[in-house]
Amino acid sequence: AQTVTQSQPEMSVQEAETVTLSCTYDTSENNYYLFWYKQPPSRQMILVIRQEAYKQQNATENRFSVNFQKAAKSFSLKISDSQLGDTAMYFCAFMKLSGAGSYQLTFGKGTKLSVIP
Amino acid sequence: EPEVTQTPSHQVTQMGQEVILRCVPISNHLYFYWYRQILGQKVEFLVSFYNNEISEKSEIFDDQFSVERPDGSNFTLKIRSTKLEDSAMYFCASSSRTGSYGYTFGSGTRLTVV
Repeated sequence: AQTVTQSQPEMSVQEAETVTLSCTYDTSENNYYLFWYKQPPSRQMILVIRQEAYKQQNATENRFSVNFQKAAKSFSLKISDSQLGDTAMYFCAFMKLSGAGSYQLTFGKGTKLSVIP
Repeated sequence: EPEVTQTPSHQVTQMGQEVILRCVPISNHLYFYWYRQILGQKVEFLVSFYNNEISEKSEIFDDQFSVERPDGSNFTLKIRSTKLEDSAMYFCASSSRTGSYGYTFGSGTRLTVV
């Protein structure tokens, strides 16, 4: 079974600064996908960024980028130029293609990020 | 942008009652999911559904739970006899054939069992 660990329950960052959220995972799979989801106070889960394990290049989406270290099983999220709207719970998630092909997600416990004006 | 729609946004029910949570996935998606999030805890997989049948289910998804897609657009989660511990946020999600591009989640239904 896969496990996802987010070791930082809460973090804060000043507006316009950069913050990095940590995520490690454990799996015996070689091909898989990793995601960061954002959950603002509205509670909706919003996809922030995804990474394919077979790609060495780190994914980037505007102010969001990841540092994917496959050997270390690490997948951190960097948010640059933090904005007040980035205040949210951030979940790291792992996906393997299960035997049934259902693309099930396994989530970490989340990191609560507060952006301070 | 296409959305996954969930209704109701909040439901309160008495213990032992049946509840049906409703979802309208994105129309051209093929895989459908239910997840739940107990307050303050992590998001947990319940069930996945493809081609009108359950693809996979977790240990949480016991005989009290069922899913169906009755009319080709709605995707429902039924809890037959609710317990206090079923109180949670329930998220519906859908994905295209290549679910590895990530799901689109709905806004969730907050279920409160009293």
